[in-house]
Amino acid sequence: DTEVTQTPKHLVMGMTNKKSLKCEQHMGHRAMYWYKQKAKKPPELMFVYSYEKLSINESVPSRFSPECPNSSLLNLHLHALQPEDSALYLCASSQERGRVNYGYTFGSGTRLTVV
Amino acid sequence: GQQVMQIPQYQHVQEGEDFTTYCNSSTTLSNIQWYKQRPGGHPVFLIQLVKSGEVKKQKRLTFQFGEAKKNSSLHITATQTTDVGTYFCAGWGGNEKLTFGTGTRLTIIP
Repeated sequence: DTEVTQTPKHLVMGMTNKKSLKCEQHMGHRAMYWYKQKAKKPPELMFVYSYEKLSINESVPSRFSPECPNSSLLNLHLHALQPEDSALYLCASSQERGRVNYGYTFGSGTRLTVV
Repeated sequence: GQQVMQIPQYQHVQEGEDFTTYCNSSTTLSNIQWYKQRPGGHPVFLIQLVKSGEVKKQKRLTFQFGEAKKNSSLHITATQTTDVGTYFCAGWGGNEKLTFGTGTRLTIIP
């Protein structure tokens, strides 16, 4: 299995809703990432997990809450989002954080619309 | 912080013409990676360059890493419609983060 699977593919939520994005990989990768991508912009790093521990939080607002239940799963819990949070949310994984010999494998993303 | 810029922002080429995108970092990089994102898709890893002055080829694609490890280029020979998409370079710097360049969007005129 050489894929990163993200669910759901599309999500529309109100500003008072609570929802979760899910990401799964079975490649044995020990680093997992959340990126946010606005239209016609590059992906922007949000969070990095290494060996199931949060390594980097790029000053992301607390309405985004990441969770890594085990080495294969990564969640992003969403609460009280704003319309400007609408974007493509990408999950990625790599062999290990800090080992620079491998590229990232991205999931197909969740396209989030906040209304 | 580390910034990675790409030029041009957009490129429209006739099918069969060549295409080049350039990537410049504000800081020296440990390595540089290249990704392709098709319209409506997600970034897909193409290649990684590590050594100063390194050149790698993948069929019609040629990747170069500058001598000072602050710039890189991707050249596509004889473009095809399947080459359509946005090409991102991504640099790994001292902050142990992969920073994506601004991207070059390639469209092909059949």
